[in-house]
Amino acid sequence: ILNVEQSPQSLHVQEGDSTNFTCSFPSSNFYALHWYRWETAKSPEALFVMTLNGDEKKKGRISATLNTKEGYSYLYIKGSQPEDSATYLCAPTGGNFNKFYFGSGTKLNVKP
Amino acid sequence: ETGVTQSPTHLIKTRGQQVTLRCSSQSGHNTVSWYQQALGQGPQFIFQYYREEENGRGNFPPRFSGLQFPNYSSELNVNALELDDSALYLCASSSRGLGSPLHFGNGTRLTVT
Repeated sequence: ILNVEQSPQSLHVQEGDSTNFTCSFPSSNFYALHWYRWETAKSPEALFVMTLNGDEKKKGRISATLNTKEGYSYLYIKGSQPEDSATYLCAPTGGNFNKFYFGSGTKLNVKP
Repeated sequence: ETGVTQSPTHLIKTRGQQVTLRCSSQSGHNTVSWYQQALGQGPQFIFQYYREEENGRGNFPPRFSGLQFPNYSSELNVNALELDDSALYLCASSSRGLGSPLHFGNGTRLTVT
C-alpha cells in the first residue's frame, strides 16, 4: 500500500488568487501519477496523467509538475475562479499498475 | 459516448445483510475498478476486473466480491454488512494500460444501520 499525502487538506482563496497544492508519495516503485478534480455532486474527472520525472502538464489555467526522484507532484491553479472549487485528488500507482492509491485530497473553495 | 453509470444512487441496509451494486462501464473500456470512499478519506481501491477476471485487489476482506460481464459491466457484492461498510462506492472504467485515466460514475451511497 502506498502512503499518499496531500496538503493542505483545505484551502480558501479569493477569486483571482493563484494557488498550489502538494501530493507526496513513496518514490520507489513509481509508475504513474494521476490528478483528478471532484466537484460536489459530480464524479471525479481526470485532469492529468504523468509518468516521467520532470513531467509538466497544462490544461488551461491548471498545471502540474512531477518529481519521481523525491516523490512529489505539485498542482497549480493560476487566477482561481469559483468554478475551480472542488476537491483535487492525486493517485500514484506503484508496483502493480492496476492499483491506484488516492490521497485524501485538497478541498479548494474559491470565493467570488 | 456513454459514460459510467452506477445503480442505485442510494441504499440503506441493515447490519448482516447482503448488497449488490451495479456499474455500466463507458463504451470502449474493458477494465472496471471499484473504490470505497469513507468520510474524510480518499477513495480506497477494492479490486479491478479485466476481461471478466479479478486483476488486482486491495486490502478488503473476502466478503467483498465482484463480477464482470461480457459487456464489461460489473457488480460489487458485499456480504455480512458491517456498520463500517457505510461509504460511497465508486466504479471506474478505463482502457487497459498504464496511462489510461479512470472514468468514474457518480457512486452509490451505502448506509448500514
